[in-house]
Amino acid sequence: DTGVSQDPRHKITKRGQNVTFRCDPISEHNRLYWYRQTLGQGPEFLTYFQNEAQLEKSRLLSDRFSAERPKGSFSTLEIQRTEQGDSAMYLCASSLEGESPLHFGNGTRLTVT
Amino acid sequence: AQSVTQPDIHITVSEGASLELRCNYSYGATPYLFWYVQSPGQGLQLLLKYFSGDTLVQGIKGFEAEFKRSQSSFNLRKPSVHWSDAAEYFCAVGGGKDAGNNRKLIWGLGTSLAVNP
Repeated sequence: DTGVSQDPRHKITKRGQNVTFRCDPISEHNRLYWYRQTLGQGPEFLTYFQNEAQLEKSRLLSDRFSAERPKGSFSTLEIQRTEQGDSAMYLCASSLEGESPLHFGNGTRLTVT
Repeated sequence: AQSVTQPDIHITVSEGASLELRCNYSYGATPYLFWYVQSPGQGLQLLLKYFSGDTLVQGIKGFEAEFKRSQSSFNLRKPSVHWSDAAEYFCAVGGGKDAGNNRKLIWGLGTSLAVNP
């Protein structure tokens, strides 16, 4: 079990630039989730895939955010025209269907200067 | 309203001492309850979960939690804390058997645990 893998671990970018993060879930997990976490808070749900289908997007996910999971395996999260308020830890998690808990990756910490 | 309250923002215990982290929830349906731990700069790791059955659940790293429906609580306990247990602990509640409901997990704000040598 290699666990959920996220890349990069850290990203520093200037305001207005685009960034893309990658998540590789546990191979047999068909569900994949993106969360955002800021200091002193629990994770906030962003979006969720079952296989390649994006089934739900949070209202937190503005038009500048887009996520894909083209082949039902890895996923990417892109943020366009980054803003300082986007600075956060972006967490990916995966799970099976049914009574299956989330398995999280180590996250990508984004700092927008 | 659905919510999770972790009343203690920060707790400090001595190594070897017992630990109890509190979690209270408000949820309209039968709750599924989780405790996760997060070390600095890391993702969240599942410690234990309660779906049904025995209300005392055992988890990894020597942790256990007890579901008390009458008190709407799911407190986390460990009899003897190790220095490596220093981390942030999150309680979460959701509902339904479909794991898709994970997207609707309601999270507490976390309790930060420090361990004195």
